[in-house]
Amino acid sequence: GQQLNQSPQSMFIQEGEDVSMNCTSSSIFNTWLWYKQDPGEGPVLLIALYKAGELTSNGRLTAQFGITRKDSFLNISASIPSDVGIYFCAGQPTSGSRLTFGEGTQLTVNP
Amino acid sequence: NAGVTQTPKFQVLKTGQSMTLQCAQDMNHEYMSWYRQDPGMGLRLIHYSVGAGITDQGEVPNGYNVSRSTTEDFPLRLLSAAPSQTSVYFCASSVAMESLTQYFGPGTRLTVL
Repeated sequence: GQQLNQSPQSMFIQEGEDVSMNCTSSSIFNTWLWYKQDPGEGPVLLIALYKAGELTSNGRLTAQFGITRKDSFLNISASIPSDVGIYFCAGQPTSGSRLTFGEGTQLTVNP
Repeated sequence: NAGVTQTPKFQVLKTGQSMTLQCAQDMNHEYMSWYRQDPGMGLRLIHYSVGAGITDQGEVPNGYNVSRSTTEDFPLRLLSAAPSQTSVYFCASSVAMESLTQYFGPGTRLTVL
């Protein structure tokens, strides 16, 4: 099946820094999603992207649907301690098909 | 609304034991699913259900059974636990299979010795 490669696997940053992570696929995706998982909790949907080239923001978070439809990017600006957690990308190859999840990026923010 | 609830939160089993992980949702969602989360592997789909009485296999179904007798509940059964089933298990629900807004439960951390 499809594979999603998410990088980096982990990040250690200082409060106030900007963060970038990305997800790449071996095949084309119709939809890209970004989730955040707080420690001890289940993932929560942050941003959904439906069109190649689309750029969508949710507060300090901005995500982009790559032009090739094989990648997506998530940026977090001016990080704060509560940004700590695991960020997952997920892709849907065609409408109605099951989601494929990336391996996750563990983010640590030092105050 | 409680959303998606899972019990227990933690469980330790011995190899060969069986148990049921409970999942319930109070949002009247038709679609429910079970994932396992392992380090470096993201979330992998075990089983899913598009409505009461209907279940289907996901990516990694071996060693697990499910049933969906009501809209609200979707239990996951481990028939004979193995160390390879040590993982964090998440239940999720959404309005329909096509809906991308899945609501996840808090997870069950299972250790098989």
